[in-house]
Amino acid sequence: GENVEQHPSTLSVQEGDSAVIKCTYSDSASNYFPWYKQELGKRPQLIIDIRSNVGEKKDQRIAVTLNKTAKHFSLHITETQPEDSAVYFCAASLGTGTASKLTFGTGTRLQVTL
Amino acid sequence: NAGVTQTPKFQVLKTGQSMTLQCAQDMNHEYMSWYRQDPGMGLRLIHYSVGAGITDQGEVPNGYNVSRSTTEDFPLRLLSAAPSQTSVYFCASSYSGTGTLYGELFFGEGSRLTVL
Repeated sequence: GENVEQHPSTLSVQEGDSAVIKCTYSDSASNYFPWYKQELGKRPQLIIDIRSNVGEKKDQRIAVTLNKTAKHFSLHITETQPEDSAVYFCAASLGTGTASKLTFGTGTRLQVTL
Repeated sequence: NAGVTQTPKFQVLKTGQSMTLQCAQDMNHEYMSWYRQDPGMGLRLIHYSVGAGITDQGEVPNGYNVSRSTTEDFPLRLLSAAPSQTSVYFCASSYSGTGTLYGELFFGEGSRLTVL
């Protein structure tokens, strides 16, 4: 099965700085890489995703990059704000169609300080 | 739309007791799944279903049973609870499988289970 490693486990940045979270996956057949954000006591929610035929995707202050050769992908948050404080999970989906499985990383707790 | 609804939100069990976590979605999603969330271990897939009558095992299926008799409901059963099953459980659904164009997972609010 797929194995997703995520680093760092905790990250503290000052407001306005950038934050980068990195993930690696083990199965080269994985083809879909979403990122979920979970605020304290809340449910995870999708913030951005990327497919294996795309190298980079951006949505306002967040961007994701994918390096298929190295089997790693990263989340970049620019101009961080206090409301970005949360746990972020990367994930990789193995398989196509309805029978695919999503494997999550262990999470990164991001703290944005004033 | 209520989205994904889980009950109960909190439950305390004694070792050996059985219980069912309920999950219902009103978005006509074909794909439903159960994850458990433990500190430092992320979200781990327990079981999933790609449609009524079809279920399959995820990463950590032992000790859990599921069934899918309708599109809307996907209950998770613990037959004989163990302390190792103390966790937060999330039900999640998507319109189609997670690898498809409509694979965004919508999560329920979670159920915190403690097994003494």
